[in-house]
Order: sequence, then C-alpha cells, then structure tokens
Amino acid sequence: NAGVTQTPKFRVLKTGQSMTLLCAQDMNHEYMYWYRQDPGMGLRLIHYSVGEGTTAKGEVPDGYNVSRLKKQNFLLGLESAAPSQTSVYFCASRLQGETDTQYFGPGTRLTVL
Amino acid sequence: GQQLNQSPQSMFIQEGEDVSMNCTSSSIFNTWLWYKQDPGEGPVLLIALYKAGELTSNGRLTAQFGITRKDSFLNISASIPSDVGIYFCAGPPYGGATNKLIFGTGTLLAVQP
Repeated sequence: NAGVTQTPKFRVLKTGQSMTLLCAQDMNHEYMYWYRQDPGMGLRLIHYSVGEGTTAKGEVPDGYNVSRLKKQNFLLGLESAAPSQTSVYFCASRLQGETDTQYFGPGTRLTVL
Repeated sequence: GQQLNQSPQSMFIQEGEDVSMNCTSSSIFNTWLWYKQDPGEGPVLLIALYKAGELTSNGRLTAQFGITRKDSFLNISASIPSDVGIYFCAGPPYGGATNKLIFGTGTLLAVQP
C-alpha cells in the first residue's frame, strides 16, 4: 500500500503560469482534502471532496480549482499562479466513518516567482 | 471562523526533558486531535480525545481534553531526538460538518541530543 501520494514533490512557477497537483490514494477512501501550510498559520483547508464527482470549498478556496473524476484521485489546479500561493500543499484522505483520522501525503512544495 | 491557537510557537529542549504544550479555542470543541508532522512529511494522528476531562496516553505522550471544552494539552515525557517535529491540535468545528477539521497553528519542537 502506497497510502497517499502527491505529484510533484517540488515545483517552481512564474506568476501567471498554471499547474495541476495530483493526489492519489489507494485506500478506497471516500473523503479527500487539499490543505496549504504556511509558517505560523498551520494547515488551512482549500477544497475537499466527500465522494467521486463532488467537491466543496474550504477555508481558502480562492485561486484554486479541484476535480474528483475518480475516487482515488483528487486534483488541485492553479489557473494563474500568484506569489501568494507559494506554500506547501498537502493532500489527505479518510474513510467516511472515521471522522478523526486523516491520512496525509508527503506534500508538494510550490514556489511562485 | 473558529481558530485554534497553540502555545508555545516553538520549543528548544534537551533530550530527556519533559514537554508541555497547549491548544485553545474561543469556541467549544467536541473532539480534540493531536497530530505530529515530521520534517518533510505530512501530519500523522497521535491521539484523539472525545470527552471533557478525558486523559489519554500513547507511549510517552499524554493528552487531555480540557474541562471547558475550549482547550487541550499535550505532554511528552523524557523527550528523545525523534520527537522533533511540528505538533498540531485539530478538531471538527462545533456545530459544523464533521467532514472537516480545523488545525491549530502548530508547536515546533526541537530536541538537542
């Protein structure tokens, strides 16, 4: 079992460029989440999904879009990257019945110049 | 929205020392969770608390659910170098959907061998 994997691990973008971060989980989890982690601010929820084909906004959704076309994958898109989106992005997943335990991926470090 | 404030922000201790950190909120939580993030990794759940006053241990870690339901505490006894990382408290927002978690700002722990 690979658990939760994220691609890529590192990326540098120029302002205005677009990119997609991929999250994949092999645990058959219904729920998936995208967070960003910034110094002194903890983890903030960007978007989440409670099942294939559904997505919802989190705490800081502006500038991001997501898609959950397959149960095992959750994609996070930046259409026009801004320096304020420089951050470490974490994906997480969990089973529908387990409200507490979210399983996190290793993170993607994104720098926007 | 609800926020979780953690203190201290960082701690630099000697191996063998005991550690105490806390998490406070302006509103009630029904569940308190403590996660640890190792350097370069995603957070991993350490302890979950479900009742006011509850005291739960996981090896050298002990966490308590505050009586007011607005705070929680984490203690680490006899610290070792592998305790290094960021410790986050988290919980589902009271009265809100249980499919989301709010994370605290984190406490960075450094252990000097």
